Amino acid sequence: NAGVTQTPKFQVLKTGQSMTLQCAQDMNHNSMYWYRQDPGMGLRLIYYSASEGTTDKGEVPNGYNVSRLNKREFSLRLESAAPSQTSVYFCASERIPGETQYFGPGTRLLVL
Amino acid sequence: KNEVEQSPQNLTAQEGEFITINCSYSVGISALHWLQQHPGGGIVSLFMLSSGKKKHGRLIATINIQEKHSSLHITASHPRDSAVYICAVRNYGQNFVFGPGTRLSVLP
Repeated sequence: NAGVTQTPKFQVLKTGQSMTLQCAQDMNHNSMYWYRQDPGMGLRLIYYSASEGTTDKGEVPNGYNVSRLNKREFSLRLESAAPSQTSVYFCASERIPGETQYFGPGTRLLVL
Repeated sequence: KNEVEQSPQNLTAQEGEFITINCSYSVGISALHWLQQHPGGGIVSLFMLSSGKKKHGRLIATINIQEKHSSLHITASHPRDSAVYICAVRNYGQNFVFGPGTRLSVLP
């Protein structure tokens, strides 16, 4: 089992460019999450999907969109990247809300 | 005031020392988690607690619900324990609120 995988590992964008961060899990988990991690601030929830077919905003959703493509995949899209979106992005999954979350390796994004 | 606070922010210890990392929170919770973030960035879950105490190898986690406080202890610390330890609480909406992390360095 690969667990939770994320692509790409690292990306550099110019302001205004768009991109999609991909996340997939092979544990048959129902819930999936996107977080960003900034120095000194801890992880913050961007969007989550409690189950296939549903998505909800987290603490910091502005500037992002998500798609729960199927039970395995949950993508995060930046339509028009801004320097404030420079961060490390983590995807996570869990069988049902409230259980242990499993994290992907992270995507380091730099927006110039 | 942050909903989840940790102390200390940074900690340097000698190999073999007993280590304690503290977490306090100000919101109602359904559970508290301790996570470990390795120097390479990967995050793994160490414990999930809703009461009492749990032990896994050299790691011990305790929680006091009345005082809204949890501690993570590492006995006989080793350089491979060097990491960032993150306290995270689960609110009743079931989303996480994360602490800022404690960076631990264990020197040989």
